[in-house]
Amino acid sequence: ILNVEQSPQSLHVQEGDSTNFTCSFPSSNFYALHWYRWETAKSPEALFVMTLNGDEKKKGRISATLNTKEGYSYLYIKGSQPEDSATYLCALPSGSRLTFGEGTQLTVNP
Amino acid sequence: EPEVTQTPSHQVTQMGQEVILRCVPISNHLYFYWYRQILGQKVEFLVSFYNNEISEKSEIFDDQFSVERPDGSNFTLKIRSTKLEDSAMYFCASPSENSGVASSYNEQFFGPGTRLTVL
Repeated sequence: ILNVEQSPQSLHVQEGDSTNFTCSFPSSNFYALHWYRWETAKSPEALFVMTLNGDEKKKGRISATLNTKEGYSYLYIKGSQPEDSATYLCALPSGSRLTFGEGTQLTVNP
Repeated sequence: EPEVTQTPSHQVTQMGQEVILRCVPISNHLYFYWYRQILGQKVEFLVSFYNNEISEKSEIFDDQFSVERPDGSNFTLKIRSTKLEDSAMYFCASPSENSGVASSYNEQFFGPGTRLTVL
């Protein structure tokens, strides 16, 4: 069974703060890692799909890095805004399924 | 941008009743998934469906569950006799490209979910 862990479970930051959180996974048999952002009452939305060790991807103020040798990915948010408040999920494919971490719930206070 | 829709957004049912959750995936997609999240737990895989048949199912997906694509657009999840522990948010999803092998590399498009409450 693939074990995907995320930390912290929840995070409260002030508007303007930069923040980051972690997704950990077994480094063997790695294929890809997905990051999703899930706002309450909305569909989970794909942020990044990362496949190569050392990958760094960026979308606006959000970026992610990947280390497949040590089995972790970081998601960074620069200058957090209240609209960044959401649950951030990482997931790894195993067969045809995605296996998810428990998510990091981010709250950005104005 | 194309989107996945799900109905109903919230369903309340009595234990032992049948429920059907509906999804309209992005048109021309052929590979579909159902996931669920019980409150406070991880999002968990239920079933994948490709070319009108089940491709893979989890240990959760027992005989009480079934999936169907009755008319080429809707994709349904049926729970025959609901239990209290079936209360969860149910999501359907499909990958951005339709390739059985490459789908793990492709982002999934999720619907907004159906919150099922079993009393």
